[in-house]
Amino acid sequence: DAGVTQSPTHLIKTRGQQVTLRCSPKSGHDTVSWYQQALGQGPQFIFQYYEEEERQRGNFPDRFSGHQFPNYSSELNVNALLLGDSALYLCASSLGRQGGAPQYFGPGTRLTVT
Amino acid sequence: GESVGLHLPTLSVQEGDNSIINCAYSNSASDYFIWYKQESGKGPQFIIDIRSNMDKRQGQRVTVLLNKTVKHLSLQIAATQPGDSAVYFCAENESVDQFYFGTGTSLTVIP
Repeated sequence: DAGVTQSPTHLIKTRGQQVTLRCSPKSGHDTVSWYQQALGQGPQFIFQYYEEEERQRGNFPDRFSGHQFPNYSSELNVNALLLGDSALYLCASSLGRQGGAPQYFGPGTRLTVT
Repeated sequence: GESVGLHLPTLSVQEGDNSIINCAYSNSASDYFIWYKQESGKGPQFIIDIRSNMDKRQGQRVTVLLNKTVKHLSLQIAATQPGDSAVYFCAENESVDQFYFGTGTSLTVIP
């Protein structure tokens, strides 16, 4: 049973550039949530995708956007990168969009902006 | 945003002892909670969950207690092992899709 996978593992970008991170959900899951985790902090919710639509969004600017594909995999795009975007980006998958479903996390993508 | 906080940022225990990690939350409407374990360089790992209609739930070596009156959550780990050393997060579900995480408690198990 495949767990949540993310790519790439690490990424280094320059300020102002754009980045795309990828996530494949756990087998059987149809919902993908993205989180940003700064060093020493807990994960912060960016947004969630279900049925190829963004269903809820956290307190992140429009520079952060995403997409979900028919096979439930998802991408997170960040434009005009800032130094403060350096963080671990986590993808979590779950089943359905009803509240109270456990979310399972991938290993994350470590983004460094220089 | 909601406040999900932990009483102690660090906790050290002797191997074989029991560990208790505490978490306070502020949204009385939250109805689902998860404890996660995060080891260095890895994503959070699901440990155990509990819904608001319960006050206790047990897993393998772990027990979660929920006190809705004082909005407090705890994770008890029995017979703590070196492999339990990690950062532990409580996560609160206050809406359909979004979880709020606390800042985490770093557990160190002393052999």
